[in-house]
Amino acid sequence: GAGVSQSPRYKVAKRGQDVALRCDPISGHVSLFWYQQALGQGPEFLTYFQNEAQLDKSGLPSDRFFAERPEGSVSTLKIQRTQQEDSAVYLCASSFRDSSNEQFFGPGTRLTVL
Amino acid sequence: AQSVTQLSVSEGALVLLRCNYSSSVPPYLFWYVQYPNQGLQLLLKYTSAATLVKGINGFEAEFKKSETSFHLTKPSAHMSDAAEYFCAVSAPNDYKLSFGAGTTVTVRA
Repeated sequence: GAGVSQSPRYKVAKRGQDVALRCDPISGHVSLFWYQQALGQGPEFLTYFQNEAQLDKSGLPSDRFFAERPEGSVSTLKIQRTQQEDSAVYLCASSFRDSSNEQFFGPGTRLTVL
Repeated sequence: AQSVTQLSVSEGALVLLRCNYSSSVPPYLFWYVQYPNQGLQLLLKYTSAATLVKGINGFEAEFKKSETSFHLTKPSAHMSDAAEYFCAVSAPNDYKLSFGAGTTVTVRA
């Protein structure tokens, strides 16, 4: 079956622009996660959804970052007024709601802010 | 957290990637691999069952509570093993994964 897909794969934005990154999780996966991966670093947790409910947004770095999953499937991560420090790969992951915590990752969106 | 950021091995040599965790309660432990321009792929996981875990592509890892470690090994490196490897941990009842900085593995012919 299809895995997690993300679009666009690459995004170049001028500083101050708003961007929207999309994630299509694996069908039937209840949980959805967003991570930020800076160059040369491991992914860092941003936010977590269980169905349409955003249960944890403790990792969002500022109020310029906003995520939604209105129908419990597709999710969008929005970054307003982008800054150079927002340049990173944004990874989306999904999982069944089980005890193993196994997450399946998409290919990521590489955001470059000029 | 992982303690090595780059590793170069010869084809056919042992691959050993170290992962130590800091938790009083044994967590769930994962090894992921990331190929260029691709997402993370799960190699193997430890979720409090067998301490020796076998994963894909010939990799295995052993959970050692006394050493708070979950090192990843492969007896014989292949050119296709060149990638970035991440150790990740989560509390048994938590959903968040915390990743190490990653180890870039290169394989010499």
